[in-house]
Amino acid sequence: NAGVTQTPKFQVLKTGQSMTLQCAQDMNHEYMSWYRQDPGMGLRLIHYSVGAGITDQGEVPNGYNVSRSTTEDFPLRLLSAAPSQTSVYFCASRTLDRVSYEQYFGPGTRLTVT
Amino acid sequence: AQSVTQLGSHVSVSEGALVLLRCNYSSSVPPYLFWYVQYPNQGLQLLLKYTSAATLVKGINGFEAEFKKSETSFHLTKPSAHMSDAAEYFCAVGGSNYKLTFGKGTLLTVNP
Repeated sequence: NAGVTQTPKFQVLKTGQSMTLQCAQDMNHEYMSWYRQDPGMGLRLIHYSVGAGITDQGEVPNGYNVSRSTTEDFPLRLLSAAPSQTSVYFCASRTLDRVSYEQYFGPGTRLTVT
Repeated sequence: AQSVTQLGSHVSVSEGALVLLRCNYSSSVPPYLFWYVQYPNQGLQLLLKYTSAATLVKGINGFEAEFKKSETSFHLTKPSAHMSDAAEYFCAVGGSNYKLTFGKGTLLTVNP
């Protein structure tokens, strides 16, 4: 079991460039989500999905797109990178079983936009 | 709506001293509560969780937390700090939707 994997680990972009952050999980979890972590701000939810074909916005969705074509994968797309998107991005997944409820996190992607 | 307030962005203790990290929550439904730990340059790891069973929850590495509904609190404690406990700690609340709301984090420093 690899758990939640994210690629790349580090990325530097120029303003205006686009890229996709990859996230995959092998636990057959229905729920997947993307967070960004900034100093002093904790983790803020960007987008989430409760199953293939179903996505919704979180707290800070502007500038990001997601899609969920399979249970395993949940990529995050930056359409036109801005310096304000410099952050550490975490993907997480969980089962929808309420008794369990805990989220499992990937190792993160550190993104710098210059 | 749900929210989490972590009192103290930075807590410093001596090795062997009591660790107390404070978390207060707001939730319109019975909450699920979590503490996560993040070591430098790593992802988040679950320390413990409250899911409406026992109010005193024991986690990994000697940490525990007590759910107090009357005080809307879920403070994290450890009787004796170890150097390896130095990390950032996040409290999180989940409710009837599927989302977790995180606090801003508390950085724990352990002095020798």
